[in-house]
Amino acid sequence: DAGVIQSPRHEVTEMGQEVTLRCKPISGHDYLFWYRQTMMRGLELLIYFNNNVPIDDSGMPEDRFSAKMPNASFSTLKIQPSEPRDSAVYFCASSLAPASGDYEQYFGPGTRLTVT
Amino acid sequence: LAKTTQPISMDSYEGQEVNITCSHNNIATNDYITWYQQFPSQGPRFIIQGYKTKVTNEVASLFIPADRKSSTLSLPRVSLSDTAVYYCLVGDPYNTDKLIFGTGTRLQVFP
Repeated sequence: DAGVIQSPRHEVTEMGQEVTLRCKPISGHDYLFWYRQTMMRGLELLIYFNNNVPIDDSGMPEDRFSAKMPNASFSTLKIQPSEPRDSAVYFCASSLAPASGDYEQYFGPGTRLTVT
Repeated sequence: LAKTTQPISMDSYEGQEVNITCSHNNIATNDYITWYQQFPSQGPRFIIQGYKTKVTNEVASLFIPADRKSSTLSLPRVSLSDTAVYYCLVGDPYNTDKLIFGTGTRLQVFP
């Protein structure tokens, strides 16, 4: 498997524009996670899905952020409108169900977002 | 979720053994201890996980005392490529799938 795939790897946009980040989890994984990493706040969990259903979105900073998982192989994180304070590296991760005995979260390479 | 405390940074030299200790005083009965490694410009990567006593794999060892209020990640004979940030996480993998990443320990290995 190619691992978790994220696109784009880098995104530069202007304040007010809509940004869509994409993630393809590892095939067969039941869980998908979206994280954000900044120097100031470290690595924060934004939202996670189990079998395509959002389970906990308490980490989503505000209504400008939304995430969807229309099928088991694709998820998006959308920011509309974007603001300079959204600049960060956004990671997607996936994992098997805990009952499998494999508790590891497999992270993608991240998308570096810069909002000017 | 149990809060963890670990040193902000550590320095070492190639070939030395590095021990990074993590404190988790309010660890719950069902919690496991997990360590991740993150290189610059990459996502975190799983290193090792344990519940009690000692766990060893090809990369590291994890020592957990009987009271489980702390744990120590041991990296034998580090090399320059071990320079990274190391995160200690505590949680119940069966009841929550959220991993709370703290600030981590930034390990710098010198030649």
